[in-house]
Amino acid sequence: YVLTQPPSVSVAPGQTATIPCGGSNIGSRGVHWYQQKPGQAPVLVISYNSDRPSGIPARFSGSNSGDTASLTISRVEAGDEADYYCQLWDSATVHWLFGGGTKLTVL
Amino acid sequence: EVQLVATGGDLIQPGGSLRLSCAVSGLIVRDNYLSWVRQAPGKGLEWVSIFYAGGATYYADSVKGRFTISRDTSRNTVYLQMNSLRVDDTAFYYCVGGEGSSSFDFWGQGILVTVSS
Repeated sequence: YVLTQPPSVSVAPGQTATIPCGGSNIGSRGVHWYQQKPGQAPVLVISYNSDRPSGIPARFSGSNSGDTASLTISRVEAGDEADYYCQLWDSATVHWLFGGGTKLTVL
Repeated sequence: EVQLVATGGDLIQPGGSLRLSCAVSGLIVRDNYLSWVRQAPGKGLEWVSIFYAGGATYYADSVKGRFTISRDTSRNTVYLQMNSLRVDDTAFYYCVGGEGSSSFDFWGQGILVTVSS
């Protein structure tokens, strides 16, 4: 099973950024999203498709349907510039899979 | 507050062995899911291994048979024994805790393992 993310997404401050994660019938699975800023450990920002962990701003949201899961960041700020990774648990292989990551650039 | 502090990173020659340790606080190792995730410099994230709360362990194909994950519940610590190290094992290794088995909820700082002659 492969998770496909675009290498990069660019957005102007104040606009909305959408980062897709593609996979076969991914809508039937629970997808998690992580933010990783340069030199730092990743941080869970969305779990199980659309749940926000404590401390994550409401500007971060997620959705999952069909063959695409998405992370949406509203009112993007300069501090949101980071790499974002999708992830899921594959029950068929009992492996935990990550997408290749998307670098979000705030113009 | 959950904290995971990993130690043991080093420069090691190909074919060598290394043991990473991860001291956990704020999360009971016995009752939760502890994993190792690695990231080669400038690359993406790769899951390495997980120790289930119930005791089961699982490994990525790339490390199966060479790496062993273990835990010491009395010390609330998780370990990763790495044998037959290869150049492509070079990476930052993150110790990660999860309250469930699916997501990686709490991350420690990464420690660098460099495999080179």
